[in-house]
Amino acid sequence: AQSVTQLDSQVPVFEEAPVELRCNYSSSVSVYLFWYVQYPNQGLQLLLKYLSGSTLVKGINGFEAEFNKSQTSFHLRKPSVHISDTAEYFCAVRSGGGQGAQKLVFGQGTRLTINP
Amino acid sequence: GAVVSQHPSRVICKSGTSVKIECRSLDFQATTMFWYRQFPKQSLMLMATSNEGSKATYEQGVEKDKFLINHASLTLSTLTVTSAHPEDSSFYICSATGGLYEQYFGPGTRLTVT
Repeated sequence: AQSVTQLDSQVPVFEEAPVELRCNYSSSVSVYLFWYVQYPNQGLQLLLKYLSGSTLVKGINGFEAEFNKSQTSFHLRKPSVHISDTAEYFCAVRSGGGQGAQKLVFGQGTRLTINP
Repeated sequence: GAVVSQHPSRVICKSGTSVKIECRSLDFQATTMFWYRQFPKQSLMLMATSNEGSKATYEQGVEKDKFLINHASLTLSTLTVTSAHPEDSSFYICSATGGLYEQYFGPGTRLTVT
């Protein structure tokens, strides 16, 4: 079975500072990895995804993530955050199998708070 | 891009009544739709997976007779919470996939049962 651990439940950061949100996963098969952002009372928006190829993935809003297979990690980074980045961030994994393997497994979420 | 809508965005109902939530894929055909439940300050919990034209597959611990899911077409899935009780109050989110790698999420429905 797959699982996802987001190591930090809350991350406070000052505006324009860099940030890293950590995500580790466990899986016995190949995986696809995702980061989603959720603003209050809204659904989830995809930030970026890793399917294959280059381990450094760039997404929207200046975010990027690096897939590290040996450390089973997929940490999310942004070099300079803005107030508007304040939101909940979810890491998710699904197995690389076929039709029956489409379920996403979510981490617990990390609340990113940007302080002026 | 792929857009998923949900209706209603908010609903308040009395205990014992039923409420239906719609999930639509607006610009693609969704072979599979998923229904999630999210409690405050928590992650998403998958309730069920539905494929068009077949019965939904419920996750362990989710009552299929209480949470009725219908996926009658490639663009519409509905979740009906039957005989709702205050403990069913939650944020319900659907997602849809056209068979590729990612799920597209709806904006969610806030259900309050009084």
